[in-house]
Order: sequence, then structure tokens, then C-alpha cells
Amino acid sequence: AQSVSQHNHHVILSEAASLELGCNYSYGGTVNLFWYVQYPGQHLQLLLKYFSGDPLVKGIKGFEAEFIKSKFSFNLRKPSVQWSDTAEYFCAVTPDYKLSFGAGTTVTVRA
Amino acid sequence: DADVTQTPRNRITKTGKRIMLECSQTKGHDRMYWYRQDPGLGLRLIYYSFDVKDINKGEISDGYSVSRQAQAKFSLSLESAIPNQTALYFCATSDSTQETQYFGPGTRLLVL
Repeated sequence: AQSVSQHNHHVILSEAASLELGCNYSYGGTVNLFWYVQYPGQHLQLLLKYFSGDPLVKGIKGFEAEFIKSKFSFNLRKPSVQWSDTAEYFCAVTPDYKLSFGAGTTVTVRA
Repeated sequence: DADVTQTPRNRITKTGKRIMLECSQTKGHDRMYWYRQDPGLGLRLIYYSFDVKDINKGEISDGYSVSRQAQAKFSLSLESAIPNQTALYFCATSDSTQETQYFGPGTRLLVL
């Protein structure tokens, strides 16, 4: 079955540490890729997206993601996290205007 | 995003009751979606609508129905609520020119 896989369920790290969250998808053909973030008690917000062009995309709040087509991956990175980055992060894929989400990764940043 | 609103924000109901969750948007988007979020499962698509006259089932539509009353309004109904429908429900919108979806604040539903 077509799916979106996020490698880590829960990540705990200290402020200033680097963050990388893995995302792999199993759809063939052309897809659009997204990372959404859900801060505690809030709704989902778009962090960044990839439709085409430069496979390294930059989003809000210092986040970036790299699309590697050969690996069907779209990993999210941030060089130095802050306490305010504590949230749940979702990778999503749209082959046909319907978002398919990964299960999410909870990131806890310790001050 | 204040452009997408959901009512109610929280709801407690009993098994067997019929309830309706409502979504309104002022973004002028033609496409609307209903998702449910469960811990460890991410968001799953319940129903979606690309136009006022277009309604489509998502991956988990059983036990749910929807109504697209206008371009700006998309309601989700649980005809006879059951406890495993306890979840956080999100409405989202997008336009036909791009696939970015914008989410409402969510409705937290508890079925006893």
C-alpha cells in the first residue's frame, strides 16, 4: 500500500542541538511534499513544501528539508533547535490533491 | 489560521447520538477536507470536496457523512456516534491551483 513513513515517534534533545527527522514515501510518479508542525494546543501549520526545482527547500523558523528522489525521502532539518520548537511534526505527500500523512514525530526540546 | 474556523471546539456526547461538526472558511478556496487525528496514526482523510457539488470518500469514511452547503461551508456528521470516534477532527481547505492545505483549529470530540 502507498504510505508515508516517519522514522522516529519521539525525539528528545537539548537546546542548540541539531535536529533531523526522517520521512519516506512509497508513491510512484510525481508527488508534492510537505512538512507541517503542530505546536501544543494549536492546529497544523505549514513549515515548508516542495513542488519542483531545487531539492533543498527552506521554510519558516530556520527549518529546511531535502528531497532525494532516488531514496523517496524528504527529511527535515534544523541546525540548532530552540525550546519553542517543541511540537509534533508531520510529513505529508499529495500525489492527487489528497494529503497522506505520516504518523508524526513528537519533538521535545529541553531548555 | 483564523480564515478556517470550526465549531464546536470541544464536544462531549454519548454513544448513539447524532452530532454535527461545522467548518467555515473565508479563504475563497473551492476544496475542503475533513481529517481525524489519533495519537500515533497522524491525520487520516475522512471526506473531501473539490466543489460544492462534489463529495468524495476518504480512507476512513465509514460512520461519517458530510454536507457541502456552500463553497465556504463543509459539515461533518456522525449519524450514531461510537466511542472509537473519539478523536481530534480537523477541517482543511485548498484552492485548485496549488495543493497547500490550510487547517482549522480542530474539534476535540469525546464519545462516551
